[in-house]
Amino acid sequence: EPEVTQTPSHQVTQMGQEVILRCVPISNHLYFYWYRQILGQKVEFLVSFYNNEISEKSEIFDDQFSVERPDGSNFTLKIRSTKLEDSAMYFCASRRTVNQPQHFGDGTRLSIL
Amino acid sequence: ELKVEQNPLFLSMQEGKNYTIYCNYSTTSDRLYWYRQDPGKSLESLFVLLSNGAVKQEGRLMASLDTKARLSTLHITAAVHDLSATYFCAVDDDSNYKLTFGKGTLLTVNP
Repeated sequence: EPEVTQTPSHQVTQMGQEVILRCVPISNHLYFYWYRQILGQKVEFLVSFYNNEISEKSEIFDDQFSVERPDGSNFTLKIRSTKLEDSAMYFCASRRTVNQPQHFGDGTRLSIL
Repeated sequence: ELKVEQNPLFLSMQEGKNYTIYCNYSTTSDRLYWYRQDPGKSLESLFVLLSNGAVKQEGRLMASLDTKARLSTLHITAAVHDLSATYFCAVDDDSNYKLTFGKGTLLTVNP
């Protein structure tokens, strides 16, 4: 069964550094998402992407965050200058239509030191 | 702002017992999803509920949706240890561009 794949599985970065989290959504999916989950807390929406542009973004998704779909397969989340509070598990998700569930990747655990 | 509330947040039950997890939400959305998360793992889709009165069953789990009451339930029948996990309900907002998750219910099934 097709899967959403995310790399790396764990990223350790110094505060203030840039980090890029990578995702390969399921190939025929059209809607793409990033969520994050701080340890022990609920899953929070960051941004959605459809038709090559951001559809919606949350208050968390400030100017330090950006997303790109540089080619037909990858979907990346960049954090320009990381803060301690960015430490979390980041999940990428995709779905083909709005009537289907979002399929989640295994996540990238981001640790900011 | 869409709010999704689950209860209970923690549920410890014995094998063989039945219980129900509740999910209330504040929007008129009719798209609700249940996900399972094992510790340190990703979110696994369990059920997709897309209309009022929808009922889905898989093994010992059954989910239902009442859009008028803005309530979904996840019923566990004759629990087994393998069901121990965190269960999240999530609701699509009107734009269908994001999911709003509840806080999750940590289910522990004891022998």
